[in-house]
Amino acid sequence: DTEVTQTPKHLVMGMTNKKSLKCEQHMGHRAMYWYKQKAKKPPELMFVYSYEKLSINESVPSRFSPECPNSSLLNLHLHALQPEDSALYLCASSQPGLAGGRGTGELFFGEGSRLTVL
Amino acid sequence: SQQGEEDPQALSIQEGENATMNCSYKTSINNLQWYRQNSGRGLVHLILIRSNEREKHSGRLRVTLDTSKKSSSLLITASRAADTASYFCATGALGGSRLTFGEGTQLTVNP
Repeated sequence: DTEVTQTPKHLVMGMTNKKSLKCEQHMGHRAMYWYKQKAKKPPELMFVYSYEKLSINESVPSRFSPECPNSSLLNLHLHALQPEDSALYLCASSQPGLAGGRGTGELFFGEGSRLTVL
Repeated sequence: SQQGEEDPQALSIQEGENATMNCSYKTSINNLQWYRQNSGRGLVHLILIRSNEREKHSGRLRVTLDTSKKSSSLLITASRAADTASYFCATGALGGSRLTFGEGTQLTVNP
């Protein structure tokens, strides 16, 4: 069982709706990530939070708004999405960048939220 | 830009055979990781190899890394039907917290 919990598992929304995806982890990780994955494609990084501060935004459209209320929670607020935004949204956590610039360690992924925009 | 490219894109083998997947990348890295994804599920970390390591083992998995060729391979020995999944390599850039995934290999193990 994954230790990163994502809700909801499935979400269908219209282009004028406002909804949120939620992610929770209790492993004490201080880095959290949102990835977007289209069918038969690799995950694409959207946002990285490190110590509850946004450290990476991969030029994601403003209709996606991340929020990290505390070290265990990560939200992705959705507003005025387009049908092409339909995808599997994956949350992950890890320890922050390893000491000595040794990069990112193992990511722990949730099972994802499958989003359909009508 | 996509860091990793994997080949083959798809691989179909019989149970008990070995499966080898390759990954190439473009820039200098801190480490290279392999993940497995069952259809429609989240990714599961398999193994991490650091840039100063050449080979690593974990159970039936063997990973090699050749930084001079900017390539890695994942070998799964004595494959099982349960190994059927997509396998992705992922690279961590020097000094960064960005982990970038390759295109993936779809492995099918036939019973």
